[in-house]
Amino acid sequence: GAVVSQHPSRVICKSGTSVKIECRSLDFQATTMFWYRQFPKQSLMLMATSNEGSKATYEQGVEKDKFLINHASLTLSTLTVTSAHPEDSSFYICSARVLQGEGSPLHFGNGTRLTVT
Amino acid sequence: AQRVTQPEKLLSVFKGAPVELKCNYSYSGSPELFWYVQYSRQRLQLLLRHISRESIKGFTADLNKGETSFHLKKPFAQEEDSAMYYCALKGPWGNNRLAFGKGNQVVVIP
Repeated sequence: GAVVSQHPSRVICKSGTSVKIECRSLDFQATTMFWYRQFPKQSLMLMATSNEGSKATYEQGVEKDKFLINHASLTLSTLTVTSAHPEDSSFYICSARVLQGEGSPLHFGNGTRLTVT
Repeated sequence: AQRVTQPEKLLSVFKGAPVELKCNYSYSGSPELFWYVQYSRQRLQLLLRHISRESIKGFTADLNKGETSFHLKKPFAQEEDSAMYYCALKGPWGNNRLAFGKGNQVVVIP
């Protein structure tokens, strides 16, 4: 089946530094990838839609300058948390679709646990 | 506004008992509904979707447009059903984006 690989699985960084998270589709091409954020005991909140070769589409309330998304190839999207602060500590999950058709399922990465100290 | 509502956070059932996870949505058009499941230490994965009208691992879910619901049901819970379950809605936002409910933690007691 389709596999989405996310790296790193866990990262700890100091406040003020930047962290890059990678999301790769291993055996399929993904023109669109999605970045979610999950707070403890809460739902997945869509942050942005990453489009290959074009600018990402951000959800309302998500700072595009803080959460930089790059989707340079059909198999890789990156999320960079810039100038991280403790409130950015969260679980970040990426997902992608194998097919662009109606009802095609999302395939999720394992997520990245970010802790900002 | 939250588009998908899953009221119970934690559901504990005995093995062999029926399970029902409630999901209500708010969307006036023709929605597409999904249930995703996350087993312990595994990634989130699709369980079933309403357009397929299928039964997966004994689970079924019927879309009720009148009640704007997509409840997940299984007549006899198994221990391996213990997991987090998320209801998701694909609405009119374009680009196949999904809105998720808060999820239900299901614990099946042996």
